[in-house]
Parts: sequence; C-alpha cells; structure tokens
Amino acid sequence: AQKVTQAQTEISVVEKEDVTLDCVYETRDTTYYLFWYKQPPSGELVFLIRRNSFDEQNEISGRYSWNFQKSTSSFNFTITASQVVDSAVYFCALSEANTGNQFYFGTGTSLTVIP
Amino acid sequence: DADVTQTPRNRITKTGKRIMLECSQTKGHDRMYWYRQDPGLGLRLIYYSFDVKDINKGEISDGYSVSRQAQAKFSLSLESAIPNQTALYFCATSDQTGYGANVLTFGAGSRLTVL
Repeated sequence: AQKVTQAQTEISVVEKEDVTLDCVYETRDTTYYLFWYKQPPSGELVFLIRRNSFDEQNEISGRYSWNFQKSTSSFNFTITASQVVDSAVYFCALSEANTGNQFYFGTGTSLTVIP
Repeated sequence: DADVTQTPRNRITKTGKRIMLECSQTKGHDRMYWYRQDPGLGLRLIYYSFDVKDINKGEISDGYSVSRQAQAKFSLSLESAIPNQTALYFCATSDQTGYGANVLTFGAGSRLTVL
C-alpha cells in the first residue's frame, strides 16, 4: 500500500492564482515526520519543509503555507499568488520514527503556472 | 562546490555494460542513500548506508550494488545494465540526529539511459 498519496498528478493554474497540492499519508507510528520537496525543471530536489507529528500548527513562509491535519492524515501545501517560478514537481514524503532510515515519497504533483 | 556531487550527470550506455555512478559529499553526514526516479513513480530507495561498515538494501535493490569507500563517498553500480534501469538517479545524505527527522540533501542527479 502506498504510504504517501499525491492524487493530483498534474495541475495547471494561471499566474497569481492560489493552488493547493494535496498529500495524504498512512502510518501507524505516533512519531513521524512529513516533508515537502520541490523539483524545478532543472531537476534538483530542494527541501521546503519538515513537520513532526506532534506539531499540528500550520506554517507560513512567504507565499507558501502548509496545513497539517492528523485527523485526516493530510499535509497539504498551498501556494498563494502563484508565479511562473513555482512551476515544478512537488513531492511529499513521510519518515517514521521506527523506520527512520527510510523516506516514503509520493509520486509527485507537476505544477505548471501559466503566465 | 555542491554539498553532494554526483558523477556522471548524464550517461548513455548499452545493455550488458557495467556502469558506476559516484557520489561524494562535503556535509560530513554519516548517512548516504541512492534513489531512483521514474516518471509517475516518485523516488524509490535502492540502497542506503548509515556508516562505512553499514550497507542496507532498499525497496528496489535487485540489479544494483553499492560501495561505501569512505564516509564521504558512496557509489552505485549496475553490473549488467538493462533498458528498464533507464532513470534519473539521486544520491542523498542526511545526518544522524533523530529517528526519521533527518532532512535529505540531494545531489543534482545522474541521468542514465540504457539502450
């Protein structure tokens, strides 16, 4: 079974629109960590955020915000006022305390921001 | 210089050839990983190493081998390459503080094409 599901394969938005990328995870651990990575067209993987399972406080960083809800096992990522530079593939990932050696990645969401 | 350096960045080879992808890091991290990225499948773990004497198989280790020559170097080998090993390969490192909490730092990727 997929531990991290990113149901949205591709999303296109017009510049300045808001967009939310969904991430649903599955774990039996009480201690776990969730991550988002960005992969721009150049191909590198860039770390965006890490949250632990004990901190459900939402986080905002500039135009980026993250909504962590344990009740729905979701860790969604919203980009406000999207820009062309936001075009990338975004990966959500899970790491569990009892298998801290492994990261489980979703299949990614490809976001295209149209000028 | 990049924290995590992968060589070669691009390689085209023929079926049956032996290929080695190399990874070196300057972050001083003990943990190193090899991932494979295929379109629509996200990142999948091939092998990981927690220190020079510790090598572990990941989700998709068949057809691959690794060598941890030093703390800073971790190489991935394809003994006899086959076309379905055509993919983008990433090396990553992480520190050892906290179970599951570690942020992965990725190299720029090595694109391998097996004809």
